[in-house]
Amino acid sequence: EIVLTQSPVTLSLSPGERATLSCRASQSVSTYLAWYQQKPGQAPRLLIYDVSNRASGIPDRFSGSGSGTDFTLTISSLEPEDFAVYYCQHRGDWPLYSFGQGTKLEIK
Amino acid sequence: EVQLVESGGRLIQPGGSLRLSCAASGFTFSHYTLNWVRQVPGRRPEWISFISRTGTATYYADSVKGRFTVSRDNAKNSVYLQMDSLRTEDTAIYFCARDRVGSTALDYWGQGTLVTVSS
Repeated sequence: EIVLTQSPVTLSLSPGERATLSCRASQSVSTYLAWYQQKPGQAPRLLIYDVSNRASGIPDRFSGSGSGTDFTLTISSLEPEDFAVYYCQHRGDWPLYSFGQGTKLEIK
Repeated sequence: EVQLVESGGRLIQPGGSLRLSCAASGFTFSHYTLNWVRQVPGRRPEWISFISRTGTATYYADSVKGRFTVSRDNAKNSVYLQMDSLRTEDTAIYFCARDRVGSTALDYWGQGTLVTVSS
């Protein structure tokens, strides 16, 4: 089973700043890596799929990169609505879907 | 507009059974595979079940295998999760989520339904 480890656990930044969130896999996940945003009381929302492709309706300030075992979600200039919890996710052979433990992006 | 709406969650005693439903709209239901994902508030999501487009293939996480059964009715645009032998550790919000065609992500999620297993 592939384990996803996200860092940092909490990231404190101000609106307008650049956010860099990391996700490390215990072994190579090829391009099967996605990112989600979750706000309190809401379902996760797909942001990025297959490492670097933005989902429908996602602003271009969100971008994904990486390969193999190390991946990054970058938010180029934080908007007030971006403060939330972010999860990386891998689809593999088993379990079908696994998630990182999350990074909480909070207002500084 | 794609919509997934879960229902059926409630308070139930350990050992009991519950059936969750997920009603879909806004897309051709039979063209998509679907999943159930649960989440304890404050913790990461946990994938628990997958069902193929026709319902002939199903997969389960080890944590629910043998106790939960997923099914779908393409004529009713609905997917179901039959939950038997419920345990306190099954307490969570249950989401249905659609597989994005051609990729390896879940592109639409319902709002979730809360299942609380407690005596």
